[in-house]
Amino acid sequence: QKEVEQDPGPLSVPEGAIVSLNCTYSNSAFQYFMWYRQYSRKGPELLMYTYSSGNKEDGRFTAQVDKSSKYISLFIRDSQPSDSATYLCAMNDNQGGKLIFGQGTELSVKP
Amino acid sequence: GAVVSQHPSWVICKSGTSVKIECRSLDFQATTMFWYRQFPKQSLMLMATSNEGSKATYEQGVEKDKFLINHASLTLSTLTVTSAHPEDSSFYICSASGLAGVSYEQYFGPGTRLTVT
Repeated sequence: QKEVEQDPGPLSVPEGAIVSLNCTYSNSAFQYFMWYRQYSRKGPELLMYTYSSGNKEDGRFTAQVDKSSKYISLFIRDSQPSDSATYLCAMNDNQGGKLIFGQGTELSVKP
Repeated sequence: GAVVSQHPSWVICKSGTSVKIECRSLDFQATTMFWYRQFPKQSLMLMATSNEGSKATYEQGVEKDKFLINHASLTLSTLTVTSAHPEDSSFYICSASGLAGVSYEQYFGPGTRLTVT
């Protein structure tokens, strides 16, 4: 069993839809949770960084962490074609330490 | 967010030659840098972790004599692929982590595409 599980998709939604992306994990020591967006042939771009449980909102993006269920989510409101990319969840148990990545979910937002 | 650059963005080399890839943190001091490789449609695979002034820590299965990592300063790390072979062709990405503000987010470079012929 992988430490971090993420459905690779692909996920296709119409423009304007609310997108829900999720990851589950098995290591209860993880405390720092990140979501990255990666466009094709580019490096990952940090979208959200969350410590421990709770919600964090930044514009159209909301990150949720439920440590009791070992489950994290990223919601994208009013999705746009420019949101089409691969979304990677990542986490670690100490600041500055190596990240454990999910497989990435490929998202396509259709105009 | 912090900016990390990589050079070159794309390189083609002949089998048996060596290639050096540079990773620079442009606006912060990176106490730790990480090197990843990524195959098409796959997630990132960590190769090694390097701290400034120390030897790199390699992940299991990564040949340290083949993938030489140097982290000589708080803004520069290099990855040298020695005696490259076609199976080394991949997308190599670095990331940097440090005292960017008050947290330790990891910021990624744009990646280097290596093709070995």
